[in-house]
Amino acid sequence: IAGITQAPTSQILAAGRRMTLRCTQDMRHNAMYWYRQDLGLGLRLIHYSNTAGTTGKGEVPDGYSVSRANTDDFPLTLASAVPSQTSVYFCASSDSRVSTQYFGPGTRLTVL
Amino acid sequence: AQSVTQLGSHVSVSEGALVLLRCNYSSSVPPYLFWYVQYPNQGLQLLLKYTTGATLVKGINGFEAEFKKSETSFHLTKPSAHMSDAAEYFCAVSGGGGADGLTFGKGTHLIIQP
Repeated sequence: IAGITQAPTSQILAAGRRMTLRCTQDMRHNAMYWYRQDLGLGLRLIHYSNTAGTTGKGEVPDGYSVSRANTDDFPLTLASAVPSQTSVYFCASSDSRVSTQYFGPGTRLTVL
Repeated sequence: AQSVTQLGSHVSVSEGALVLLRCNYSSSVPPYLFWYVQYPNQGLQLLLKYTTGATLVKGINGFEAEFKKSETSFHLTKPSAHMSDAAEYFCAVSGGGGADGLTFGKGTHLIIQP
């Protein structure tokens, strides 16, 4: 069982470009999440999905969009990247809204 | 709204000494509380969690935490630090009532001195 996979591992992106970060889980978890991690700020929730077909906004959703077409995949899209979106992005999943979240290995994104 | 405060962005202890990482939370509903550990260039790994029941929770690698409702605290302890405990530690809270996802503290970097 792989758990959660994220791709790419790292990426350098020019400002203004569109980018999709991929996240796939094989645990059949209903809920999935995207967080960004910034030094000194901890992790902050970007978007979440409690079940396939539904999504919601977290603490820092501006500039990001998500979709949840099926249970396993939860891609995060930056429509037009800006330097302030330079960060490490973590995808997570859980059985429910209040159970343990399992995290992927992260994607390090640099926007120049 | 929920929030988590971790006291001390860096904590340094000697190998073999007691580890104490502090976490205080605020939540308008009964909280679910978590401690995660992050080793360099890796994702987050669950150390332990409190949901309901016993307030003293034991986790992996010899860590434990005690939920104290009256103090709104969930401090993480380990009796004897090991060099391999050096990592970033995050306290997080999750609540019902419409809140989704985890609210994390800013993290505490644990340094182990030989």
